[in-house]
Amino acid sequence: KAGVTQTPRYLIKTRGQQVTLSCSPISGHRSVSWYQQTPGQGLQFLFEYFSETQRNKGNFPGRFSGRQFSNSRSEMNVSTLELGDSALYLCASSFDGGYEETQYFGPGTRLLVL
Amino acid sequence: AQTVTQSQPEMSVQEAETVTLSCTYDTSESDYYLFWYKQPPSRQMILVIRQEAYKQQNATENRFSVNFQKAAKSFSLKISDSQLGDAAMYFCAYRLPNFGNEKLTFGTGTRLTIIP
Repeated sequence: KAGVTQTPRYLIKTRGQQVTLSCSPISGHRSVSWYQQTPGQGLQFLFEYFSETQRNKGNFPGRFSGRQFSNSRSEMNVSTLELGDSALYLCASSFDGGYEETQYFGPGTRLLVL
Repeated sequence: AQTVTQSQPEMSVQEAETVTLSCTYDTSESDYYLFWYKQPPSRQMILVIRQEAYKQQNATENRFSVNFQKAAKSFSLKISDSQLGDAAMYFCAYRLPNFGNEKLTFGTGTRLTIIP
């Protein structure tokens, strides 16, 4: 079974631009979570989607948004990019978010904002 | 709010030796899940081991075991017979056992180096 895939793997943007990152979960998984990883703040939860609905949201500004499609693929969007948005963005999937489940992580998208 | 603390930014161990990584957490909840994740350089994060707070028995997965001290809110990871492939960042994480709440709260990580 294929793992979690994220595209693109690397991105370079300039301040003020917007960016869209994509995550394809493991086949059959319906829950997708997003995390931001930076050297200074570590791993921080962005949001979680299940069946096209946002179930949980972390403490990030409204510039960060996401959505999930009917095939469970998810996208996250960051508008008006700032230098501090440079990070590794990870997504993780699980079947339905049950507490007995394991979350499987993708390889991440590394975003550099210049 | 729950917090997870890893006080050892870096650790090193000789190949074939044993190393213990520390993790403490703060929560007012009585039921929760704890995890150790491994993130090798430029590779995907993978789950190493998990512990349910209601279980008194410490979890074990092959060479990896935990020492879970609920009263002390401590959750350390022991790696026995260290191998070169164990070199990675190790993250301790916490999660509430609520269906539909996937949020993991991570510690800042410990970089483990294996010395040949």
